This record gives sequence, C-alpha cells and structure tokens, in this order.
Amino acid sequence: DGGITQSPKYLFRKEGQNVTLSCEQNLNHDAMYWYRQDPGQGLRLIYYSQIVNDFQKGDIAEGYSVSREKKESFPLTVTSAQKNPTAFYLCASSPSGTVGEQFFGPGTRLTVL
Amino acid sequence: DAKTTQPTSMDCAEGRAANLPCNHSTISGNEYVYWYRQIHSQGPQYIIHGLKNNETNEMASLIITEDRKSSTLILPHATLRDTAVYYCIVREGPNDYKLSFGAGTTVTVRA
Repeated sequence: DGGITQSPKYLFRKEGQNVTLSCEQNLNHDAMYWYRQDPGQGLRLIYYSQIVNDFQKGDIAEGYSVSREKKESFPLTVTSAQKNPTAFYLCASSPSGTVGEQFFGPGTRLTVL
Repeated sequence: DAKTTQPTSMDCAEGRAANLPCNHSTISGNEYVYWYRQIHSQGPQYIIHGLKNNETNEMASLIITEDRKSSTLILPHATLRDTAVYYCIVREGPNDYKLSFGAGTTVTVRA
C-alpha cells in the first residue's frame, strides 16, 4: 500500500535535547511538508521541499531543521532552540502540479519534559 | 490574516445532509477553495477543491457562490465516521505551496 509513514507515534525527550522525527513516503511525490499542530489549533507550516536537495522555510521554521537527500524521505529535527517543542507534528506530500492535494501521515506527538 | 471564516461547531443527524458554510470574501480570481477534514488525533484528509464551478466527488459536493465570496461543503448522507474538524482553505494557484489551516468547524454527527 502506498502512503506516508511517520515514526514513532509518540516521542518523549528531555528539555535541551535535539530530536529527529521521521517521515517516509512511497507515493513518488516530489513535494513534502512538515506542519505543527497545537491543541485546539489549526496546522502551521514549518518547512516544505519541492524537490530533492531543496527546501524552504514555512511560517514557523525557527528552532527546526530539515534535510531532503532522498525523494522518499524528509526528516525534521527539533533543536534545543525551539522554545515550545511539545506538539503534534504532521508530515505530508503531494505530486508536483497538484500541491493543494496533500496526503498526510498519521503524525508524531512529541512531548518534551 | 485569515482568508476564511467558518462556524466553530455544528451538529448533524446521522443519515441527513451536512452543509458546512465558509466565507472567503477577500478571495481573488486565481485562488482556489480547498476542503480538508481531520478526525481526532489523525492527519488531515483532502476532500475536494474548486475554483468557480461546483464540484462533486465520492466524498462530498462543493458549491461556490457566483461571486465566489462563500462556499458550502455538502456531505450528502452523514455517518458517525464523518465526525471531524473540517477546514476550508483558500489557496493561490500552482506556485503557492502553503495550505493555511485555521481552526475549522468541528462537526459532530449524532445517531
């Protein structure tokens, strides 16, 4: 089955530690995205990548970093510089030319203690 | 700035049609209207989109007013599994890679 996988579903880290969230897709999509969702809120765009080896900042990129070395993978690192990292993180992908139709993964809920 | 306005919540009876309104009075000519939904603690799911014509797919229908300042998403026969937060999003053409999700409408389908 084609789709997007995010792992793990739940992640706990101590304050001050960097943590990397995994996102893999086998849909052969060119574009990939990372969003953050806080309780009761909508999604906010962190980073997006239109093609391998290229990515752009979204609305709330401070304290986050990404890489896009492979088409299938778009990992997100939450650094210690992110002041409020506890949130629900969602990865998505879309084919080029239909970027409004994004396919989302199941999400990773990160809790920083 | 929010481009869309939606009611905070609404209830619907199972088996009845659910009509979800969205106002986008500042929409410009090249902006599309997209609808997504998010079931609790899951990733959002694309439903439908349109520019100016009404659209229908296996999930829903999208009715856009002639002046394009508002639209309605119609779930023709709501089921309990349609309980979710529904997001109405206005997005520019092919070069706009951002989907701006607001708070959406929480739809509760009751038996």
